[in-house]
Amino acid sequence: EDQVTQSPEALRLQEGESSSLNCSYTVSGLRGLFWYRQDPGKGPEFLFTLYSAGEEKEKERLKATLTKKESFLHITAPKPEDSATYLCAVQAAGSNYQLIWGAGTKLIIKP
Amino acid sequence: NAGVTQTPKFQVLKTGQSMTLQCAQDMNHEYMSWYRQDPGMGLRLIHYSVGAGITDQGEVPNGYNVSRSTTEDFPLRLLSAAPSQTSVYFCASRELSGVETQYFGPGTRLLVL
Repeated sequence: EDQVTQSPEALRLQEGESSSLNCSYTVSGLRGLFWYRQDPGKGPEFLFTLYSAGEEKEKERLKATLTKKESFLHITAPKPEDSATYLCAVQAAGSNYQLIWGAGTKLIIKP
Repeated sequence: NAGVTQTPKFQVLKTGQSMTLQCAQDMNHEYMSWYRQDPGMGLRLIHYSVGAGITDQGEVPNGYNVSRSTTEDFPLRLLSAAPSQTSVYFCASRELSGVETQYFGPGTRLLVL
């Protein structure tokens, strides 16, 4: 069964304390892996798409990486405004449309 | 561009009442979908559409109906609301083919008493 698991469920960091969020996936072939950010009371906002193992993408303090079994979202020197829930989703081979979503990691950055 | 818009933002229903959640997009996307989001769970697909006149069921379709008469609009109907349908509902759209980004609306928070 195709599955996406995110860990930890919640992560509290001090401002400037770097860390990583994990998204592990089990799918029968990967077409793409997506990272989204969701602020309270709002819809998910797109961050990155990764397509193949070894690929990396960066945006400000965020860097996403991909292996054959998992993806990491690295957060370097985070600021309080980075506080949000980060969602991971996978599009499996053979699927033109549907995504498999993880439950998310709630990140809290304390000043 | 307004992107994906949803109305209402918040709604309270009594068990057995019906209502329609509205969704519209101005990006000319052929693919549109409805998700529900519950605490501790990933987004779950309710229904989706790949173009006007074409709809299909997702993972959790029971209790919901959809129709797609235009490219822009994709309403979600609750026929007889139940407390189990208390959730946050998101509409999303994307280009049809390939590995494309989904764009989400701001959500509708629904409470069924």
